[in-house]
Amino acid sequence: DGGITQSPKYLFRKEGQNVTLSCEQNLNHDAMYWYRQDPGQGLRLIYYSQIVNDFQKGDIAEGYSVSREKKESFPLTVTSAQKNPTAFYLCASSPRRVHNEKLFFGSGTQLSVL
Amino acid sequence: GQQVMQIPQYQHVQEGEDFTTYCNSSTTLSNIQWYKQRPGGHPVFLIQLVKSGEVKKQKRLTFQFGEAKKNSSLHITATQTTDVGTYFCARGGGADGLTFGKGTHLIIQP
Repeated sequence: DGGITQSPKYLFRKEGQNVTLSCEQNLNHDAMYWYRQDPGQGLRLIYYSQIVNDFQKGDIAEGYSVSREKKESFPLTVTSAQKNPTAFYLCASSPRRVHNEKLFFGSGTQLSVL
Repeated sequence: GQQVMQIPQYQHVQEGEDFTTYCNSSTTLSNIQWYKQRPGGHPVFLIQLVKSGEVKKQKRLTFQFGEAKKNSSLHITATQTTDVGTYFCARGGGADGLTFGKGTHLIIQP
């Protein structure tokens, strides 16, 4: 069953803690993306990667880090430097390394601060 | 990336009424995509428009791209409860990928 898998579905972070959100795809897509969704704010791009071992900052990269060691995986770490991490995080992928491709989204991770 | 403005932010309709959401840009769009997100779900791609003046239909949904390629609309005829959700437009072609509007929340009263 092909698709994008995000885990966990819900995640809680303590003050000063780093947490990592998982995103795995078996669609053989080149490009992967991380978006943050806040109520009334739409989707804002955090990071994207068009190829293994390469990634670019999006509009709101501060306080986040990513890696792309494998084509299938694009984990996002929310660091302690991100002071307002509570949000719904969506991972997405697209087939090719062009910016007009449609996106396929995972089911998201809701991150909350304890 | 360059922003796209969506209006209205919220729309309440009675079941069976029509619904329209608009997406506007101050600059020319190379293409526009539309997504639907059900409550508690994730965005799902609906359609992409590329050509000036393009009109595409999917059952009760009609998508239009303006002649100047600076605006787009999504119209739903005779809404049903299954249409509930948030509809996003997104502009493509920028160096940092898709830029999403803030979405229109469609609320349907039976």
